[in-house]
Amino acid sequence: SAVISQKPSRDICQRGTSLTIQCQVDSQVTMMFWYRQQPGQSLTLIATANQGSEATYESGFVIDKFPISRPNLTFSTLTVSNMSPEDSSIYLCSVEGLNTDTQYFGPGTRLTVL
Amino acid sequence: SQQGEEDPQALSIQEGENATMNCSYKTSINNLQWYRQNSGRGLVHLILIRSNEREKHSGRLRVTLDTSKKSSSLLITASRAADTASYFCATDAQGAQKLVFGQGTRLTINP
Repeated sequence: SAVISQKPSRDICQRGTSLTIQCQVDSQVTMMFWYRQQPGQSLTLIATANQGSEATYESGFVIDKFPISRPNLTFSTLTVSNMSPEDSSIYLCSVEGLNTDTQYFGPGTRLTVL
Repeated sequence: SQQGEEDPQALSIQEGENATMNCSYKTSINNLQWYRQNSGRGLVHLILIRSNEREKHSGRLRVTLDTSKKSSSLLITASRAADTASYFCATDAQGAQKLVFGQGTRLTINP
């Protein structure tokens, strides 16, 4: 299995500001995924991040709002830009395990926007 | 929406009883995965069942898959207080690695 860490684990931010969330994996992976979980809801995929190419965004999510970087095979960042209270959610990154279809998730970043 | 549905949305049982959660999905899949989430933390992977499998066991967990009905069930036997959590099913549509999650079942085990 993959070991994934995220920073920060939680944050409280003011509206209009931006927050960058980091995701670090203990092994090299081709694809990394970013999900959002709004309060009391299930997970929704924001985008898929491949190393060396632009992220692929799902319907309803745009690069200007959620820019993603993927500088190498073990690291990615997701920025939540120009935040509003509606962005208050848990943000999770995930990766697919080596030689397996299983997806492993990081511990999540709990974001509260005031 | 391609999201699946889970039922029940919430389940409360006594410790020692069995808990059954159901998941339905809409598209053809390669596999279906079950996850547990404790109090809004990260997801813990429980079990993966492939589309050509009908049943799989892991400890106290039993998962079934009926691709003709596009449904799966998760059975937790001899439940414990530590099983209290939200449980999600997730499917990957054929040809895609991204996961589509069900709405989840909130399971409460009463001592």
